[in-house]
Amino acid sequence: QSALTQPASVSGSPGQSITISCTGTSNDFTPYSYVAWYQQHPGKAPKLMIYDFSARPSGVSSRFSGSKSGYTASLTISGLQAEDEADYYCSSYTSTSPRYVFGSGTKVTVL
Amino acid sequence: QVTLRESGPALVRPTQTLTLTCTFSGFALSTSAMSVSWIRQPPGKALEWLARIDWDDDKFYSTSLKTRLTISKDTSKNQVVLKMTNMDPVDTATYYCARLNPGSFSGFDFWGQGTLITVAS
Repeated sequence: QSALTQPASVSGSPGQSITISCTGTSNDFTPYSYVAWYQQHPGKAPKLMIYDFSARPSGVSSRFSGSKSGYTASLTISGLQAEDEADYYCSSYTSTSPRYVFGSGTKVTVL
Repeated sequence: QVTLRESGPALVRPTQTLTLTCTFSGFALSTSAMSVSWIRQPPGKALEWLARIDWDDDKFYSTSLKTRLTISKDTSKNQVVLKMTNMDPVDTATYYCARLNPGSFSGFDFWGQGTLITVAS
């Protein structure tokens, strides 16, 4: 199964908002599909930021939000901060065929 | 608190079988809705999901790798084991184990630190 498509890089200035897209196919975003987003700093394990499209785990800043429209999921980071500079990955899970597909990854740079 | 830790050989020869162990604490894999997955990441590349084992011993595998993978659990030891046969240099990666957020479908909420596995002769 092919990886979900993400932009290679997105950048923004401190305080700005940025949106990272995650595009798949009809097989990746069915009515039984769920999307998560992960943040990964260099040399570290990924950290869960959003699950089931828009839910935030305890402890994750409300500056992070998730949404979905058609075959594209999105992660928005508002009030961009220096610590948000990292790689971000989306992941899709489809319950009817239990598999996880990750995105190609997006490097976020805070200017 | 929940912790996971991967262990395995740092170096594997081509064609050999890799055995990785995930030792966890802070939850019981015998509890309903619990599951553990293995995920890998080649150097400088994206994450790739490999396999998942559920509390009721249901097992799921990556479509592209399922013929090479076997996942199992030992609930008495709080361990999940992944075996990957016929290792190749392209399998060089950091291998992570991660817990699925109980009650959710898509989020791995706790991850191990990862273990780098190099495949070379």
